[in-house]
Amino acid sequence: SYVLTQAPSVSVAPGQTARITCGGNNIGSKRVHWYQQKPGQAPVLVVYDDSDRPSGIPERFSGSKSGNTATLTVSRVEAGDEADYYCQVWDSSSDHWVFGGGTKLTVL
Amino acid sequence: EVQLVESGGGLIQPGGSLRLSCTASGLSVSNNYMNWVRQAPGKGLEWVSVIYSGGSIYSADSVKGRFFISRDSSKNTLYLQMNSLRPEDTAVYYCARGSCSGGTCYSFFFDSWGQGTVVTVSS
Repeated sequence: SYVLTQAPSVSVAPGQTARITCGGNNIGSKRVHWYQQKPGQAPVLVVYDDSDRPSGIPERFSGSKSGNTATLTVSRVEAGDEADYYCQVWDSSSDHWVFGGGTKLTVL
Repeated sequence: EVQLVESGGGLIQPGGSLRLSCTASGLSVSNNYMNWVRQAPGKGLEWVSVIYSGGSIYSADSVKGRFFISRDSSKNTLYLQMNSLRPEDTAVYYCARGSCSGGTCYSFFFDSWGQGTVVTVSS
């Protein structure tokens, strides 16, 4: 089955830029989606199809992909951005929906 | 506005069965790709199962043969029948709509989520 790999944690000071990565075999051929989950809440989609933002998501959240790595970038980080972030792809070969293990973003 | 409300969670003994429900408003469960996603305590998200609008069903290997997804269009409700429950099935279970962008779906993502229902499998 397809596997997505994320670093467990990332820390950044307020106002700085956080980069959260997601690795997977041949991820360049797949579209990557990103979710934000705050404690006790359901996940929220923040980026879809590698780099598109749903309505209502601040422009500070952006997505990109290069080689075997997708990246969620959070610019001008705020205290309210502290959360767990998950990447996700749809594996067409198995019709399975796959999540990465999640990255905890800590705002120092 | 889309709203998904899960119910049916609770404490159940290992080996037991439970049926979760997800009542939808603002969308038709029959015309969408409806999913169950779970999250064990302190762990990450795990996709469980999907039922496509056409009726095709796919499930994660961890629940295949034990969990069964279904829907009732008259009640606009999604279900998850969970049998032979194990302690490792303990989790918050979310109902989520799968979507794609554009006319041709190259990939799917979850754009609407319920608040979840808690299932605890323990003796």
